[in-house]
Amino acid sequence: AQSVTQLDSQVPVFEEAPVELRCNYSSSVSVYLFWYVQYPNQGLQLLLKYLSGSTLVESINGFEAEFNKSQTSFHLRKPSVHISDTAEYFCAVSVEAAGNKLTFGGGTRVLVKP
Amino acid sequence: DAMVIQNPRYQVTQFGKPVTLSCSQTLNHNVMYWYQQKSSQAPKLLFHYYDKDFNNEADTPDNFQSRRPNTSFCFLDIRSPGLGDAAMYLCATSRESGRDTQYFGPGTRLTVL
Repeated sequence: AQSVTQLDSQVPVFEEAPVELRCNYSSSVSVYLFWYVQYPNQGLQLLLKYLSGSTLVESINGFEAEFNKSQTSFHLRKPSVHISDTAEYFCAVSVEAAGNKLTFGGGTRVLVKP
Repeated sequence: DAMVIQNPRYQVTQFGKPVTLSCSQTLNHNVMYWYQQKSSQAPKLLFHYYDKDFNNEADTPDNFQSRRPNTSFCFLDIRSPGLGDAAMYLCATSRESGRDTQYFGPGTRLTVL
């Protein structure tokens, strides 16, 4: 079975400062990795995902994440945050062997302060 | 051009009174999921349909049922809601396999009085 750990439940950060959200996973098979963002009272939206190939993946709004197989990590970073990045961020993993199911981490709430 | 639609957005029911939440999709995806999300927690998968095949999670209470009459629609039935069932219920869809993105609806927030 897979598990996902997001080490920080809350991350306060000032506007225009960098942020890193940590995600570690455990799985005995190859995984696909996802970051989803959830704004208040909304559903989840895909931010970016790693399937294979280049270990660095980027989103259109400035986030990036790096897959590190040896450390079983998929940390999310943004060099300069905006107020609008205030949201909850979920790391998730899926494997082909388990069908289509996503296993989510506990989430990290990012609060961007002016 | 909403892709995954959930109705209603807010639902209030009474303790023990059956309630149905609905989800529809315009993506023509094979897989539809129902998640329960309680405050400040990660979404918890209740069950999913792969086409017409129903897949229940082992720890989903019997109180929760689902129907998928066609590709586009999926329903979540809560037969006898308890106070502990108050939560956000999220519907999601995906094409096929574990590598495919899941697309989420906006959710239905259920209140149980």
